[in-house]
Amino acid sequence: EDQVTQSPEALRLQEGESSSLNCSYTVSGLRGLFWYRQDPGKGPEFLFTLYSAGEEKEKERLKATLTKKESFLHITAPKPEDSATYLCAVQPYGSSNTGKLIFGQGTTLQVKP
Amino acid sequence: NAGVTQTPKFRILKIGQSMTLQCAQDMNHNYMYWYRQDPGMGLKLIYYSVGAGITDKGEVPNGYNVSRSTTEDFPLRLELAAPSQTSVYFCASSQGPGSNQPQHFGDGTRLSIL
Repeated sequence: EDQVTQSPEALRLQEGESSSLNCSYTVSGLRGLFWYRQDPGKGPEFLFTLYSAGEEKEKERLKATLTKKESFLHITAPKPEDSATYLCAVQPYGSSNTGKLIFGQGTTLQVKP
Repeated sequence: NAGVTQTPKFRILKIGQSMTLQCAQDMNHNYMYWYRQDPGMGLKLIYYSVGAGITDKGEVPNGYNVSRSTTEDFPLRLELAAPSQTSVYFCASSQGPGSNQPQHFGDGTRLSIL
């Protein structure tokens, strides 16, 4: 069964304290792994798509990496405005015609000044 | 562009009532999706549509219905509301099904059934 698990569930950091969020996945063939950011009371906002092991993508203080079994979202020198819930989702090969995604439960990040 | 617009933002229903959650997108996207998000759980797919006139069930379709008469609109209907349907509902759209065509989300409808 296709599955996505994110850890930790919640993470508190001091401003400037770098850390990583984990997304472990089990899928019958990976077409893409997505990272989204979700602010309270808002819908998820797209950040990155990763396609194959070894790939990395960066945006400001965020860097996403991918292996065959997991993805990491590295946050370097975070600021309070990085506080949000980060969602990971995978698209299996079987969803290539529908675009269906399987989401993890999310990691809620709080960055204190 | 407004993107994906969901209405209403909040709603309280009594058990057994019915309602329609509205979703509209102005990006001319063919693919549209309805999810529900419960605390501590990932987004669960309810229904999806690959184009006007074509809909299919997702992971958790029971108690819901959809229609897709136009490219722009994808309403979600709740018949005989139950407390288990208390959730936050998100609509999303994408240009296509490919992994290089990410889904864009609305800001959700928060629904409580009492």
